[in-house]
Amino acid sequence: GQQLNQSPQSMFIQEGEDVSMNCTSSSIFNTWLWYKQDPGEGPVLLIALYKAGELTSNGRLTAQFGITRKDSFLNISASIPSDVGIYFCAGQLLKNQGGKLIFGQGTELSVKP
Amino acid sequence: EAGVAQSPRYKIIEKRQSVAFWCNPISGHATLYWYQQILGQGPKLLIQFQNNGVVDDSQLPKDRFSAERLKGVDSTLKIQPAKLEDSAVYLCASSRGPGQGSYNEQFFGPGTRLTVL
Repeated sequence: GQQLNQSPQSMFIQEGEDVSMNCTSSSIFNTWLWYKQDPGEGPVLLIALYKAGELTSNGRLTAQFGITRKDSFLNISASIPSDVGIYFCAGQLLKNQGGKLIFGQGTELSVKP
Repeated sequence: EAGVAQSPRYKIIEKRQSVAFWCNPISGHATLYWYQQILGQGPKLLIQFQNNGVVDDSQLPKDRFSAERLKGVDSTLKIQPAKLEDSAVYLCASSRGPGQGSYNEQFFGPGTRLTVL
């Protein structure tokens, strides 16, 4: 079945540092999404990307939809303690493949004050 | 606007027992999803409903899992009998539409953490 390879698996950084994580796949996706999940909660959407090459920002977060439609990255600038959590990428399959979301394995971010 | 509600939040059972989870989606959302999230992994779609009809249940282990959304609003997911490998968080999500071809944002509930001993 379709798989997303998300890296790194975990990151330990100092407050104020920038963070970068990415996802790659062997499948083409219609849409790339980035979610954040806090302990005991469901994932919350951070950024949605709809077109190949698209670069979108949401505050200190920036994400890009790869030109090949098989990859995406998320950058967080000037990290703060509340950025702690697990970040998931997700790709939406093409309509003729059912259109469902496939999630990566997650990147666990720890921020040291 | 109230979010997606799920209950119970936690459940501990022994293997071979039965368990049921309940989900109440955001009002007006036609599409409802059940995901299984095993520790250390991303959510995996089990079943998707559009109103009260099943759109995708290709990854639902139908020998032991069942789900229904009889009136097109609330939904229940049942496991009978449970196995050790069913230990996971079961997430419910809802969206305005099916999202096929264009993405309709899925809003997730807090999940039910199931432990099978």
